[in-house]
Amino acid sequence: DIQMTQSPSSLSASVGDRVIITCRASQSVSSWLAWYQQKPGKAPELLIYKASNLKSGVPSRFSGSGSGTEFTLAISSLQPDDFGTYHCQQYNDYSLGFSFGPGTKLEIK
Amino acid sequence: QLQLQESGPGLVKPSETLSLTCTVSGASIRSGNNYWGWIRQPPGKGLEWIGSMYSSGSTYYNPSLKSRVTISGDTSNNQFSLKLNSVTAADTAIYYCMRRPSGNGVDPWGQGTLVTVSS
Repeated sequence: DIQMTQSPSSLSASVGDRVIITCRASQSVSSWLAWYQQKPGKAPELLIYKASNLKSGVPSRFSGSGSGTEFTLAISSLQPDDFGTYHCQQYNDYSLGFSFGPGTKLEIK
Repeated sequence: QLQLQESGPGLVKPSETLSLTCTVSGASIRSGNNYWGWIRQPPGKGLEWIGSMYSSGSTYYNPSLKSRVTISGDTSNNQFSLKLNSVTAADTAIYYCMRRPSGNGVDPWGQGTLVTVSS
C-alpha cells in the first residue's frame, strides 16, 4: 500500500500569514491527490482535488501544487476561520487502497 | 443537493458484525461516474478508507480490511451499506459514508456516526 506523510504535524500561525503544508507519498500517485479541512466534531470537507483543482466555493486563498510524490497546500493569507486539521489523500489506484496522511493541525495565534 | 446520512447501532459487541447504512438523497447510487463508500476515524486519530462501490456495483476494499468488509447497494431504497465482521475495540471509530466522483476527491461526506465496540 501507499504510505502518506505530512509536515508539519501541527503549526500555529497568525492572521495574514502564508501557510504551507507538505504531503509526501511513498510512491508516485501522479496528480491523484486531494486536500480536506476538518473542523472539530465535523466531517472533513474537500478543498482541492487532482492536486491543484480548487473545489467550487472554496476561497481562492487556498491552492495546491505538486505531482508524483510531493505535494503542497498553501494558504496565502490566513483567516480566523482556517483553523482545523488538514488531511491529504491519494486516490491513485484502488488495488493499493486510498490512503490518507496523518493530518496537520492548524491553530490561529 | 446531494446529502448522505449514516444509520445503525452505536454499540457493537466484540466478535460481532458492525452494520451501517447510508441513505442517499439528491442522486442515484447507480448513476454517473461515482464511487460510494466508507471512511472511518478512531477518536482523536486520522482517517482510514474502508472501501468503495462504483455506480456499476463493483467494489473495492482497503487491503488491510478486505477479509472482513462487505459493501453493497440497495437500488430500490437508494442506499448502500457496510458490514464489518469480527470487530474488536480497534474498530471503534466515527464512520463516514461518502461519495467520490471519478477523478475527484470525496464530496460530500455524511455527518458521521460513532460506533463503539465494547461488551
